[in-house]
Amino acid sequence: AQRVTQPEKLLSVFKGAPVELKCNYSYSGSPELFWYVQYSRQRLQLLLRHISRESIKGFTADLNKGETSFHLKKPFAQEEDSAMYYCALRQTIQGAQKLVFGQGTRLTINP
Amino acid sequence: EADIYQTPRYLVIGTGKKITLECSQTMGHDKMYWYQQDPGMELHLIHYSYGVNSTEKGDLSSESTVSRIRTEHFPLTLESARPSHTSQYLCASSPRWSMNTEAFFGQGTRLTVV
Repeated sequence: AQRVTQPEKLLSVFKGAPVELKCNYSYSGSPELFWYVQYSRQRLQLLLRHISRESIKGFTADLNKGETSFHLKKPFAQEEDSAMYYCALRQTIQGAQKLVFGQGTRLTINP
Repeated sequence: EADIYQTPRYLVIGTGKKITLECSQTMGHDKMYWYQQDPGMELHLIHYSYGVNSTEKGDLSSESTVSRIRTEHFPLTLESARPSHTSQYLCASSPRWSMNTEAFFGQGTRLTVV
C-alpha cells in the first residue's frame, strides 16, 4: 500500500541551525511528492513540489528513489519557519488521483 | 477573489443532530476533496469528486455523505452526529492534474459532537 511516513512528530532547533524534516514513502509507481506547510492560524498550503526542483523560503527537498525519501532541508532556520509540515504523495490508481499525507512534523525554531 | 471557503469554522453540536459542512470554491476547479484530521495525526481522504454528479469514497471509511450538484459547491453531511465524528474536516480543490498543479485547502471546520 502507498504510504508516507514522517518519523518525527516534533522537531525543535535553534535559530540559525540547519533543519531537516524527514519523509519516507512507499509507492510502486513513479512518485510525485510534495511538502505542505501550515503556519499558526493559517490554512494548509503548498510549500514545494519535487518536480519543480525549486527552493522556497530557503527550503529544498531532493527525491531519493534509492532510499525512497524526500527530506526537507534548510541550512539556516528562521523563527518564522515554525509550523506544521506535511509530506504528501500523489498517487494514481485506475485513473483516480489522490494525495496521501504523512502524519506531519511540528517544527519549532527557538530564538 | 478566487478562493476556497469552509463554513462554519467551528461547530459544537449534540449527538443525533444532522449537520452539513459547507465547502465552496471560486477557482473553477474540477476536483474537490474532503479530508479528516484528528489532532496530531495525518490527513485522511474521506471523499472526492471529479466534477458535477461525481462523488467517490476515499481511503478512510466515513459515515458522512457528499454531493456535487454544482462545480463550486461540495457539501458534506452527517445524518446523525456522534462523538466519534469529532474531528477537523478539511476541504480542498484542484484543477485537472498536470505536473505543476497543487491542491488548495480551505481553513477547515473543527467539529465537536457532545
